[in-house]
Amino acid sequence: AQSVTQLGSHVSVSEGALVLLRCNYSSSVPPYLFWYVQYPNQGLQLLLKYTSAATLVKGINDFEAEFKKSETSFHLTKPSAHMSDAAEYFCAVSFSNFGNEKLTFGTGTRLTIIP
Amino acid sequence: GAVVSQHPSWVICKSGTSVKIECRSLDFQATTMFWYRQFPKQSLMLMATSNEGSKATYEQGVEKDKFLINHASLTLSTLTVTSAHPEDSSFYICSAIGTGNTEAFFGQGTRLTVV
Repeated sequence: AQSVTQLGSHVSVSEGALVLLRCNYSSSVPPYLFWYVQYPNQGLQLLLKYTSAATLVKGINDFEAEFKKSETSFHLTKPSAHMSDAAEYFCAVSFSNFGNEKLTFGTGTRLTIIP
Repeated sequence: GAVVSQHPSWVICKSGTSVKIECRSLDFQATTMFWYRQFPKQSLMLMATSNEGSKATYEQGVEKDKFLINHASLTLSTLTVTSAHPEDSSFYICSAIGTGNTEAFFGQGTRLTVV
């Protein structure tokens, strides 16, 4: 069965520092991969999506993620953290035809930004 | 991006009563809608998939008689939690995809508290 593992349920970084949120998936074939952000009591907002077009995916708010097949990873990074980045981040995977169905989510990483 | 709206955003109900949550696609026709459940500090778990005009497909372990899903139109799906109990208290989130869409759009979620 497909699964997603997010290493670190909590990550704290200083404002202006590099953000690195880790995500690994288990699969014998490349899936569709997603990163979502969730602010308190809100739904999910798509940050970026990997669809096999390019291994380095750029998303909104200067976030990007790199698909590494050899490592089965899809880590999320941002060069300089901003206070507004404090939120819960979810990595997700899909094996549907268009990558938009039956998402399997990781357990999430809560990002805290230290002033 | 497309907009998916859930109503209500929060609801408190008495144990034993039923609660209906609405999920609407405001600017596109949603051929498929998904209902997720999120327990505190946990990830989203897919409950069911509903296609317009068809019976919903429930994930293993989800009671279809307790969580009634109706997708009667291309812009509206409803989730009814019947005979709610405190353990049903959770954050319920819907997502929707439309014809040709490659992205699932999420609602803002509904926080249900059963007392």
